[in-house]
Amino acid sequence: DSGVTQTPKHLITATGQRVTLRCSPRSGDLSVYWYQQSLDQGLQFLIHYYNGEERAKGNILERFSAQQFPDLHSELNLSSLELGDSALYFCASSARTSGANNEQFFGPGTRLTVL
Amino acid sequence: AQKITQTQPGMFVQEKEAVTLDCTYDTSDPSYGLFWYKQPSSGEMIFLIYQGSYDQQNATEGRYSLNFQKARKSANLVISASQLGDSAMYFCAMREGPDNYGQNFVFGPGTRLSVLP
Repeated sequence: DSGVTQTPKHLITATGQRVTLRCSPRSGDLSVYWYQQSLDQGLQFLIHYYNGEERAKGNILERFSAQQFPDLHSELNLSSLELGDSALYFCASSARTSGANNEQFFGPGTRLTVL
Repeated sequence: AQKITQTQPGMFVQEKEAVTLDCTYDTSDPSYGLFWYKQPSSGEMIFLIYQGSYDQQNATEGRYSLNFQKARKSANLVISASQLGDSAMYFCAMREGPDNYGQNFVFGPGTRLSVLP
């Protein structure tokens, strides 16, 4: 158990809908990262937050947005869902934003299925 | 262009033998970090080992070691004395970006390792 929690574990929805994925980092970790893992695209970095502030953006679509709240939990919002958004969404946390060995601890993931 | 290349989609190794999983990377950033993660069939991502671009020595963590050849831009993972529980997908990843700000991570396509009894 990495200490990172993600809810829900599974989510099934329809095209055009909007969903919110939630992540609670390990106690004390200030950095949260979101990733998308799909069969055709592999593991893609989406976005990085540190202590409530967006720090880096990867391959995140404009239909997707994220935020990190004062209690450090984070939410990833996916809107106007398409079939291709079906994937496993991981959240990871780390203790800091910088430093050489910035090991990330991954949550169990949320499996999103868009029908 | 792919920033992380893992040329072996799948590999087999006999239990108790050593195996090397290949990873090459591409970056112009002088400061970067290289990571290996393991993803068993259960789906979770497990951190294995880290190598910094300025580290002089190859990283080691128990049965895992990283063969870092900076000039060749390769960071191969060596697993010694393979165990059945090592059967999993293995991802090589690179952290780019200024070390004191946001961090962009890039993952390779992964190598599926199967350990044979």
